Amino acid sequence: GAVVSQHPSWVICKSGTSVKIECRSLDFQATTMFWYRQFPKQSLMLMATSNEGSKATYEQGVEKDKFLINHASLTLSTLTVTSAHPEDSSFYICSARDPRQGAGSNQPQHFGDGTRLSIL
Amino acid sequence: AQKVTQAQTEISVVEKEDVTLDCVYETRDTTYYLFWYKQPPSGELVFLIRRNSFDEQNEISGRYSWNFQKSTSSFNFTITASQVVDSAVYFCALSSGGGGNKLTFGTGTQLKVEL
Repeated sequence: GAVVSQHPSWVICKSGTSVKIECRSLDFQATTMFWYRQFPKQSLMLMATSNEGSKATYEQGVEKDKFLINHASLTLSTLTVTSAHPEDSSFYICSARDPRQGAGSNQPQHFGDGTRLSIL
Repeated sequence: AQKVTQAQTEISVVEKEDVTLDCVYETRDTTYYLFWYKQPPSGELVFLIRRNSFDEQNEISGRYSWNFQKSTSSFNFTITASQVVDSAVYFCALSSGGGGNKLTFGTGTQLKVEL
């Protein structure tokens, strides 16, 4: 089955630090990846759609300069939380659509294991 | 606008009981796709099933079964003979062209299966 790897799984760092999270599709090429944020006991909130070779599409209310997304290859997207502060602490999850399993809305998203970010 | 409602916030059952998780959706599109995902305490989301709007056949996979009813805009998920390992948060989600091909998630149902 489709495998998506996310790294690191846990980050603790000081306020003001920038943190990079990687999302890789291991056995398929993903032109589109997604980044979500999840607060405790809540649903997933889509932050942005990462498009290979072009700029990411951000959801309303998500700061582009705060959450930098780069999708430089068909198997890798990165999310950088710049100058992180305690309010950025959250669970971040990426996903990728498997093109082998349909087209567009039909493609199920496969998720990474998530990254727990704690800013002190 | 698209919307997915999971009215059950938390359900607790005793092992071996059957349990049904409800999902009601809203969309203006005639072509859409419905999904269920499982999120165990470890955090990763596991894809369980996909169903398109033109296929109302119910599906069974082991102890899992899904009931898709377009007339009531529902896509309910039943676990038969529940086990402790089924304890997780289950999310229902909807995707369609009108929604930008993005997943719209419900708020999730926390299922606790106890011995």
